[in-house]
Amino acid sequence: DTAVSQTPKYLVTQMGNDKSIKCEQNLGHDTMYWYKQDSKKFLKIMFSYNNKELIINETVPNRFSPKSPDKAHLNLHINSLELGDSAVYFCASSSGQGYGYTFGSGTRLTVV
Amino acid sequence: AQSVTQPDIHITVSEGASLELRCNYSYGATPYLFWYVQSPGQGLQLLLKYFSGDTLVQGIKGFEAEFKRSQSSFNLRKPSVHWSDAAEYFCAVGANQAGTALIFGKGTTLSVSS
Repeated sequence: DTAVSQTPKYLVTQMGNDKSIKCEQNLGHDTMYWYKQDSKKFLKIMFSYNNKELIINETVPNRFSPKSPDKAHLNLHINSLELGDSAVYFCASSSGQGYGYTFGSGTRLTVV
Repeated sequence: AQSVTQPDIHITVSEGASLELRCNYSYGATPYLFWYVQSPGQGLQLLLKYFSGDTLVQGIKGFEAEFKRSQSSFNLRKPSVHWSDAAEYFCAVGANQAGTALIFGKGTTLSVSS
């Protein structure tokens, strides 16, 4: 039973389209995160929710909108996709900073 | 502000040889420190973590790391590397503060030669 699951695993889409990535965790964690990993494998925090409340919102284009319907789910919607949005997006969850994060297997987004 | 530096972009080690991956951090207080491993096409797996207590921490897969406050370092070690250890390794730092997230280093790619 996967702890943090993301769907889809791969996403290929054209510029200008709108797409969503879904994330679910069954660990009972209160906090969830979205990270972006670029082509050089650099991981950068985008958003974080604690129990459905947005607590981190880094400098990310407002085309990116996270939504957390409940504390087990955190989705990422991206409008008007651009070539530069191509990356691997990771969802993670945590029960507290000191415990570390559990990551999903990632969603590879390719914008053509 | 926190930051993490992994000075080595790529390291090649012979199978059976020892390994040390370097990590330096910048943070005012004692941070939470982590090492993660990422195999190709996979997510990140937690190897080990440190916040307080014994400065030598043991992790999974035979890895260990040592926290050295005086050097602001948290280096990862393994006495004998296996071919399956070839992967990307990330050091991360976190603060004991609400509204913050782990900051990751740029990673070190480990190749294992036979």
